Parts: sequence; C-alpha cells; structure tokens
Amino acid sequence: RKEVEQDPGPFNVPEGATVAFNCTYSNSASQSFFWYRQDCRKEPKLLMSVYSSGNEDGRFTAQLNRASQYISLLIRDSKLSDSATYLCVVNSNSGYALNFGKGTSLLVTP
Amino acid sequence: DADVTQTPRNRITKTGKRIMLECSQTKGHDRMYWYRQDPGLGLRLIYYSFDVKDINKGEISDGYSVSRQAQAKFSLSLESAIPNQTALYFCATSDFRGLQETQYFGPGTRLLVL
Repeated sequence: RKEVEQDPGPFNVPEGATVAFNCTYSNSASQSFFWYRQDCRKEPKLLMSVYSSGNEDGRFTAQLNRASQYISLLIRDSKLSDSATYLCVVNSNSGYALNFGKGTSLLVTP
Repeated sequence: DADVTQTPRNRITKTGKRIMLECSQTKGHDRMYWYRQDPGLGLRLIYYSFDVKDINKGEISDGYSVSRQAQAKFSLSLESAIPNQTALYFCATSDFRGLQETQYFGPGTRLLVL
C-alpha cells in the first residue's frame, strides 16, 4: 500500500459548487498533515496544514480522521482560480521527510 | 526576489552527459531537498540535507549525487544522464518547527535527456 493515496480525478465542477477531496495514509504514527496546491507546470505551494481538531481558512476546510487514517479538503463556493492539482502530504515513517500524494486534479468551469 | 531559486530553468542534454542543477535559498533554512516529478508518479524524493555536513539518500537516489556547498546552496548532479531522467526537478527548503514542517519549493527545472 502506498503511503499516501489520492483519487487523481479530474473533478470537474461549476463555479460556486462545493467539492471535497479525500486522502488516505498508511502510517498510523504520522503526526503532520498538509494540503499543497500545484498549478500546471508550477511548484507546489502550501495551502494549509491539517490539525487534529480540523481547521478552516476562508472557503477551505481541512479535516483529519486518525482512526480511519484519512484527511479531507472541502472547498466551498468554488472559483475558477481554484483550478489546480491538490496534493495531500504526510510526514514519512521516520519523520525526516514528507510523503506527497500524486494529487487530485480540480477543474472549475464557468 | 524569489526565496528559492533554481538554475537552469530548462535544460536539454544528451545521454551520457554530466549535468548539474543548482538551488539557492535566501530563507535561512537548514533543510534542503531535491525531488523529481513525473506525470502520474507525483513527487519523489532524491536526496535531502539537514545541514551542510548531513546528506541523505531519498527514495530514488541511484544515478544522482548532491553537494551542499553552503547552507544556502544545494546542487544536484546527474553523473551520466539517461532518457528516463527526463523530468521536472524541484528543490525545496523547510522550516522545521517540531512536528510542523512547511516546505518551500523552487520554480523547478525542466530536464530533457535525449
């Protein structure tokens, strides 16, 4: 089983829609969780960290479920500019580096 | 000015050539990383360095070597380039604060090996 797994999509949604992505991880000892955003042919950039109690940043909400070992990202009121690939990231087994999922592609259409 | 820079941004080379990709950062971070990204495979770690004297192999280090010349500089070398090393290469630095490690990426180097 891969350390971090995501549905690659693509998710095609209209502007204004709510969309959710899930990500599962294999290492139950993982302590750090993140969502990164990557635009086409650009570098990944941190979108938000994911905290145990869940956290929100504007239209974005991240949740962590340790029992089921999954992380979610909810985007409300989707904008055209949200179109990108969203990478789920978890710290590795030994804690020395981060494991990146392959990403979920989102396309928001007019 | 960008905090993490990579040179060159694009490179075309031939099989068997030795090439070097360079990374510089002005963030003052101790940790630096090299990744490659291939379509459908995501980001894979090649090498990482926690300080100037500490260099470690990542998931896919075969065919690559690195040099940490200073805190701010981390270079990746392909000793004898081969076509399956064609990829997008990213350098990253991190600000490690306990469990929360945020990585900051450079703009990437697109490498084509013919």
